[in-house]
Amino acid sequence: AQTVTQSQPEMSVQEAETVTLSCTYDTSENNYYLFWYKQPPSRQMILVIRQEAYKQQNATENRFSVNFQKAAKSFSLKISDSQLGDTAMYFCAFMKHQGHDMRFGAGTRLTVKP
Amino acid sequence: GAVVSQHPSWVICKSGTSVKIECRSLDFQATTMFWYRQFPKKSLMLMATSNEGSKATYEQGVEKDKFLINHASLTLSTLTVTSAHPEDSSFYICSAQRTSGRYNEQFFGPGTRLTVL
Repeated sequence: AQTVTQSQPEMSVQEAETVTLSCTYDTSENNYYLFWYKQPPSRQMILVIRQEAYKQQNATENRFSVNFQKAAKSFSLKISDSQLGDTAMYFCAFMKHQGHDMRFGAGTRLTVKP
Repeated sequence: GAVVSQHPSWVICKSGTSVKIECRSLDFQATTMFWYRQFPKKSLMLMATSNEGSKATYEQGVEKDKFLINHASLTLSTLTVTSAHPEDSSFYICSAQRTSGRYNEQFFGPGTRLTVL
């Protein structure tokens, strides 16, 4: 079974600064997908970034980038130039290649302070 | 982007009654939808996988007779909480799967807050 671990229940960062959220996972699969989702107070799940395990290059989406270390089974999210609107719960998630269901970590509550 | 809706967005019911929650994919067809449950300040826990035209697949520990799932069309899945009790109070989120090439992408609904009195 796949497990996803987020060891930081809460984090805070000053506006315009950079913050890194940690995620580790456990799987015997060789090919899979990893995700970071944002859940703001509205509770709507928003996809932040996606990484395919067979791609060595780290995914980036504007201010969001990941550090994917396959051997270490680590998948951290870096948010640059943090904005107040980034305040939310962030969930790391795993899905097997050709899989269907998604497994989520416990989440990290990020607060961006003005 | 693909849009998934849920109805109702919130519901309050009395203990012992049944509540139906709808999940619709508005601009794409979804043969597979998923139902998640989220407790306050907790993560999403997969309850079941809803398959169009066939029986749902439930995760271990989820009572299939209590949480009835029907996926009667390619755009609609329903979750019925039967004989609801206060411990069923939670936030329920659905997602709909769209296959794009080799990747099964999930799109999430906005969630339904259920409160059982």
